[in-house]
Amino acid sequence: AQSVTQPDIHITVSEGASLELRCNYSYGATPYLFWYVQSPGQGLQLLLKYFSGDTLVQGIKGFEAEFKRSQSSFNLRKPSVHWSDAAEYFCAVRGDSNYQLIWGAGTKLIIKP
Amino acid sequence: EADIYQTPRYLVIGTGKKITLECSQTMGHDKMYWYQQDPGMELHLIHYSYGVNSTEKGDLSSESTVSRIRTEHFPLTLESARPSHTSQYLCASSGTGLSYEQYFGPGTRLTVT
Repeated sequence: AQSVTQPDIHITVSEGASLELRCNYSYGATPYLFWYVQSPGQGLQLLLKYFSGDTLVQGIKGFEAEFKRSQSSFNLRKPSVHWSDAAEYFCAVRGDSNYQLIWGAGTKLIIKP
Repeated sequence: EADIYQTPRYLVIGTGKKITLECSQTMGHDKMYWYQQDPGMELHLIHYSYGVNSTEKGDLSSESTVSRIRTEHFPLTLESARPSHTSQYLCASSGTGLSYEQYFGPGTRLTVT
């Protein structure tokens, strides 16, 4: 069965520092992978997605993610975080059936001034 | 940018009341979803629909019901609200064909007293 693991419940990063949020997935075929961001009290916004092709994908707000099939990973990165990046980040993978997404538990990003 | 709307944004009601949470989208998406999310926690799929007159229960058992009479509208109803229903409810939609990315509304924060 498909699954998504986000090993870090929360991460604290200083403003201006680089960021990497980890995501590992379990999926038999070529995965469709997504990263979403959720600000407090809001819905989720799609940051980026990977379907095929170049394994380094660019998203909105200066985020990028790299698909590594050998490691079953799809880690999210940003070279320099801003206080406004403080939010919850969710990784998701396409499910086997019915156009559903399998969600990770999320990583809460805390920004230190 | 997808346009998906949820009303009300916040609702506080007493136990035993019947409530309907509204969700509408203007993109003509055929697939729609309802998720339940406790603060800082992962998303749980409670209902989904692949088109008009099509509804299915999700992975998380829920006492709510849904209907899909029009493509753009996917309301969720609780016949008799209980404190255990206190949560955030997120509505999402995704497009036609093999599109898997989901677009989210801002959510309804429900508190049952």
